[in-house]
Amino acid sequence: EVQLVESGGGLVQPGGSLRLSCAASGIIFSDYGMSWVRQAPGKGLEWVSTMAGTGGFTNYADSVKGRFTISRDNSKNTLYLQMNSLRADDTALYYCAKTAGSSWALANWGQGTLVTVSS
Amino acid sequence: DIVMTQSPDSLAVSLGERATINCESSQSVLSGSTNKNCLAWYQQKPRQPPKLLIYWASTRESGVPDRFSGSGSGTGFTLTISRLQAEDVAVYYCQQYCYAPHTFGQGTRLEIK
Repeated sequence: EVQLVESGGGLVQPGGSLRLSCAASGIIFSDYGMSWVRQAPGKGLEWVSTMAGTGGFTNYADSVKGRFTISRDNSKNTLYLQMNSLRADDTALYYCAKTAGSSWALANWGQGTLVTVSS
Repeated sequence: DIVMTQSPDSLAVSLGERATINCESSQSVLSGSTNKNCLAWYQQKPRQPPKLLIYWASTRESGVPDRFSGSGSGTGFTLTISRLQAEDVAVYYCQQYCYAPHTFGQGTRLEIK
């Protein structure tokens, strides 16, 4: 069974940094692209970033480009999201998601970790 | 960026009836390399993460009931729930995953009439 468990969320002041982690189990982690998707309170889904299984390429939403960095450690089955220069509008539940393998659709999701940016 | 627009924003359907949700992309999401439409549908129930229902516009994810079906090509897509059940109450999202950013639609809230 695929399990994705996010951690690292919390309360941070504007301009601060956080690093989110997503621990994966039940899969050959390096076989799959992984993504971060966020959801502001009461709002819809916003794709944040995607990284290929081998880490060969990455993509970012314009809203986070230059501030957030996605990375992965395939030896630890863990995906990361380094978030710098955080703003109030980054406040959201951050989901880690695994691609379907045959496509970039998101087949498995974690429960999310909440990031709150506030002074 | 490709803009995904869903209609309607909310929908109320009687139990056992058909529900139809539309998704329009601002440009084609047909992949030139696969000749498939890079369009997925997700279901999100309250206080739960999204669940993948459909990918490649019409391929049902394993374990998804066959009352859920996807159709369309190019820029226009539809999610159909053929016989609405109470557990289908949720918000539904489309997403294109061909071209970064992998944009989502704004969501459609489905309720029971």
